[in-house]
Amino acid sequence: LAKTTQPISMDSYEGQEVNITCSHNNIATNDYITWYQQFPSQGPRFIIQGYKTKVTNEVASLFIPADRKSSTLSLPRVSLSDTAVYYCLGPNQAGTALIFGKGTTLSVSS
Amino acid sequence: NAGVTQTPKFQVLKTGQSMTLQCAQDMNHNSMYWYRQDPGMGLRLIYYSASEGTTDKGEVPNGYNVSRLNKREFSLRLESAAPSQTSVYFCASSPGHEKGSPLHFGNGTRLTVT
Repeated sequence: LAKTTQPISMDSYEGQEVNITCSHNNIATNDYITWYQQFPSQGPRFIIQGYKTKVTNEVASLFIPADRKSSTLSLPRVSLSDTAVYYCLGPNQAGTALIFGKGTTLSVSS
Repeated sequence: NAGVTQTPKFQVLKTGQSMTLQCAQDMNHNSMYWYRQDPGMGLRLIYYSASEGTTDKGEVPNGYNVSRLNKREFSLRLESAAPSQTSVYFCASSPGHEKGSPLHFGNGTRLTVT
């Protein structure tokens, strides 16, 4: 598994902002920081990727501090349909590939 | 535009039986991948094909073989299934094999080996 640390689970209510932080101390200086989302009974879906500072798209924002040892995925105003597992990718043992960790299960309630 | 299509969606095998999982992509991607997903383990890479005509082992290749039939198709074969291979198998493709190249996944094959 990847050398990443993220919370196993998080709970939220509809309309709240959710921030999921991932630690990836060993990410290489030229690697992108990448997040995926997986709904039940589906394959993972790429949601956002960045190299530094902040990236925003129609789904989420990604905040990356200058040292790049962590990143925070921000989901604005979550809805029930955002209930999913969120993965940040991290380096494998050899540093030759970015691989999946165990992910964070986000549960959104009404 | 179907993306990544996997067949079958479900399969039950007896120990020792063989089968091939099929995967096809219509996005003209160069690279294709096979993952397995077990509870609490995230996704683990079995094999990948960086480009047509090449295949390489991933994290957990034992007990599997692959064939990159053409640019569109990448199959995974279990020669002698074991209960430890009960899992959900995902195929993915990406434009290239560079680190961080976004992966596009199929919806998986749920395999049970009894």
